[in-house]
Parts: sequence; structure tokens; C-alpha cells
Amino acid sequence: GAVVSQHPSRVICKSGTSVKIECRSLDFQATTMFWYRQFPKQSLMLMATSNEGSKATYEQGVEKDKFLINHASLTLSTLTVTSAHPEDSSFYICSASRDRAEYFGPGTRLTVT
Amino acid sequence: EDKVVQSPLSLVVHEGDTVTLNCSYEVTNFRSLLWYKQEKKAPTFLFMLTSSGIEKKSGRLSSILDKKELFSILNITATQTGDSAVYLCAVESGNNRKLIWGLGTSLAVNP
Repeated sequence: GAVVSQHPSRVICKSGTSVKIECRSLDFQATTMFWYRQFPKQSLMLMATSNEGSKATYEQGVEKDKFLINHASLTLSTLTVTSAHPEDSSFYICSASRDRAEYFGPGTRLTVT
Repeated sequence: EDKVVQSPLSLVVHEGDTVTLNCSYEVTNFRSLLWYKQEKKAPTFLFMLTSSGIEKKSGRLSSILDKKELFSILNITATQTGDSAVYLCAVESGNNRKLIWGLGTSLAVNP
């Protein structure tokens, strides 16, 4: 149990466009989901905490207007990278909280050209 | 400042060897320590530890927490090439459930 999926797994987009990434908990309900990004050979960096039915809590230095998070149901959170730029290219990972542990999705590789 | 330090940063062993990975921490309001395995994609949850001295086991992997000395170890016995990965340690701190991550230990198991 505790399976988390992400879609898409890989996306390439042009600079200036917006990209939406979905995170779903497939076999459990998650009131809290987390969004991370990971640069090569670095550890995970928490971007924001997404709570179902309320506004996301962003970490310091993360622009909330650029990284829009919506957690509309107990099984789905979305991250939209708006007006993407090449420096937004990264590996984005979501996780869902269950029983005080986090279960991660497989990640989304975003490349902005 | 809260911090999680993992050692070694990288490790190369032969199949069949036993390895011990270390994670030490300094955090306020410790709640739990978690171990993850990361291969090419996102981390996979391995263990969550909250109490000292209670070993968690899953197949050839085991882990234990020492809350007095503020560290945890992850043991892998009879290593296989499929164990090659980055092993991440994270500590849950405070009332806001924030996870503080170590940089990971990169393990390579050679045949």
C-alpha cells in the first residue's frame, strides 16, 4: 500500500509557458502532500506543504506566484510552474503523508528550453 | 540550526559485504527519523524510527535509533548490486512536521 503517482514523468516545454504536474495518492487519502525539487547530486529541497482545502505553505525563497499549488481533494495535489524559465529545469518530486511517514511519487523531470 | 549529517558520503563494496550507514542529527523537537533509498528517480521509503533501541527490519535491511547519542544506523547485509543507490536520512522536527534532510550516502555494490 501507500502508492503515490506523478504525471507526467517527463516534460519539455518552451520558456514562458506553464506546466502542470499532478501528484496522486492511489490507495490512501492524504490531507497533506509535499512538493520538493532536486538538483543534480543534491538532496531534496522542500518547496511547499500542500494541505487539502487550504492554501499551501511555501518555504522561504519559493515564489508562490510562480509555483502554484492546488490540493483540491484528498488524493490529488497539483503544482503549476508558471512562465517557466530554463533555471526552473529540475526534478520535481511530490510526497503524501500517511501515518507520519512520507511516501514519494516517482518524480517529474522538467526541462525548459 | 537544525542539521542532519550522513556518513560516509560514498561507499563502494563488493557483493556479499555488509555495510553500515550513519546518520547523526541535531534538531529541536525531534519527532522521528526516516530512511529512504533513492535510485534514479524519487526516494522510496524504508523505515521510520521514533523510539531508541528498537530495531526495524525489512529483509536484509535493518535500522536502529539512539536518541541519547542522536544518531541512527542503517545496516545492509549480504549486499547485492540492486542495493546500489543513494540512501537518504531525514529527521522530522517540530510541530510543523518539517523534514530536515541529510545529503545522502551513495552506495555502489560491485559484482
